Amino acid sequence: GQQVQQSPASLVLQEGENAELQCNFSSTATRLQWFYQRPGGSLVSLLYNPSGTKHTGRLTSTTVTKERRSSLHISSSQTTDSGTYFCAISNMGYKLTFGTGTSLLVDP
Amino acid sequence: NSKVIQTPRYLVKGQGQKAKMRCIPEKGHPVVFWYQQNKNNEFKFLINFQNQEVLQQIDMTEKRFSAECPSNSPCSLEIQSSEAGDSALYLCASSPGVSDYTFGSGTRLLVI
Repeated sequence: GQQVQQSPASLVLQEGENAELQCNFSSTATRLQWFYQRPGGSLVSLLYNPSGTKHTGRLTSTTVTKERRSSLHISSSQTTDSGTYFCAISNMGYKLTFGTGTSLLVDP
Repeated sequence: NSKVIQTPRYLVKGQGQKAKMRCIPEKGHPVVFWYQQNKNNEFKFLINFQNQEVLQQIDMTEKRFSAECPSNSPCSLEIQSSEAGDSALYLCASSPGVSDYTFGSGTRLLVI
C-alpha cells in the first residue's frame, strides 16, 4: 500500500524563524493535503496541493508529483504555529493515507 | 469552525458497552469517511460512503463496528462491544469527491 514519510519528525524553532516540512510518498498521488493539529485538537486543513505551488497566508506548499514529494514552508513562525503537521495523500480512490507527522514547537 | 459536525465531543464507555458517535458532513459533500487516530498519531481508515452506500471498509469495521449514512440524517459509527484498544480519536471527514477533505473536530472515546 501507499506509504507517506514526513521529515523531520520534530522541529524546534525560535519565533520568527522559518520552517520547512517535507513529505515523501511511495506511489502516485492524485490528491495531497496538508493538515494541522494541536494536541487534543481537531484536524485542520491547511492546503490542498496535489501539484505545483500554493500559498495561503504564511504557508507555501510545493508538490513535485513526478518526484513524489511535497513541502510545506512556514514563514515567520509564531508560537501559535506549535502543533503537529500531517501530510495525507490518495490515489484515484478516496481513502487518504496519512504521514507520520512533524511535531513543531515554536518558542517565544 | 469546522463545517463537519461531530457529536459527542467526548465519550466514556465500559468494556463491552456500545459506543455510538455521529457526524453531519459538509453540505453538498457526498463522500464521508471515518478514521481512527490513536495516541501515537497513527491514522487508521475505517469506512467510507458515497451517497449512503459503503465504498470501502476494513475487516475490523466489518466485525465489531457498524456504520451508516442515511439520507437526511446524520452519519453514525457504532462499536458494538467496546474494547480498551478502541480508545482513540474518531474523525469524520467529508469530500465533494475529487478534491480536498474537511474533517470534523472528532469524538474522543475512552474505554475503561
